[in-house]
Amino acid sequence: GQNIDQPTEMTATEGAIVQINCTYQTSGFNGLFWYQQHAGEAPTFLSYNVQDGLEEKGRFSSFLSRSKGYSYLLLKELQMKDSASYLCAVSESNYQLIWGAGTKLIIKP
Amino acid sequence: ETGVTQTPRHLVMGMTNKKSLKCEQHLGHNAMYWYKQSAKKPLELMFVYNFKEQTENNSVPSRFSPECPNSSHLFLHLHTLQPEDSALYLCASSPLDGDVAEQYFGPGTRLTVT
Repeated sequence: GQNIDQPTEMTATEGAIVQINCTYQTSGFNGLFWYQQHAGEAPTFLSYNVQDGLEEKGRFSSFLSRSKGYSYLLLKELQMKDSASYLCAVSESNYQLIWGAGTKLIIKP
Repeated sequence: ETGVTQTPRHLVMGMTNKKSLKCEQHLGHNAMYWYKQSAKKPLELMFVYNFKEQTENNSVPSRFSPECPNSSHLFLHLHTLQPEDSALYLCASSPLDGDVAEQYFGPGTRLTVT
């Protein structure tokens, strides 16, 4: 079956580093997306991984291991504005994404 | 500003009402989507339109009826809804130019069915 797992909630301290994990089991794989969603707002694109390895983009990095069905999103130098939900999604076809339930990240001063 | 707009942002309706949600994308994309987002649940894909043609209908009850008059506009017509249909309804679009493409979301319509 299709399944994407990520922690429901995480708490971290301003200025610290946090890693949000995502594991997946899908019938196909065309890449993995991470989105950020602030409360009451639209999800916005953060990263896309299709090959194994680490993709770095400023304070955010995303890692993929296809053999392990595993990805993580790494957030460095946390800021209060990073408090949001982070959604992991796997592309099974060109236009269909399978979504995780999201990880709510709480940043404390 | 994501280039995808949705109206209304909030909607309260009774179970016997008929209402419509509207989505418009200003990005020149070819595909548009309706999602349902309930608290602590994954996004549920409801409908996909590719070049105005419906390509997916993920076992959505008939009380939800989509309409895509052109590649820029998407509607979701609602009638005789149930309280469990209360959720955030998100519209998204993507370019679909051959490779896997990110989806761009609108701000959503918060629907409450009373």
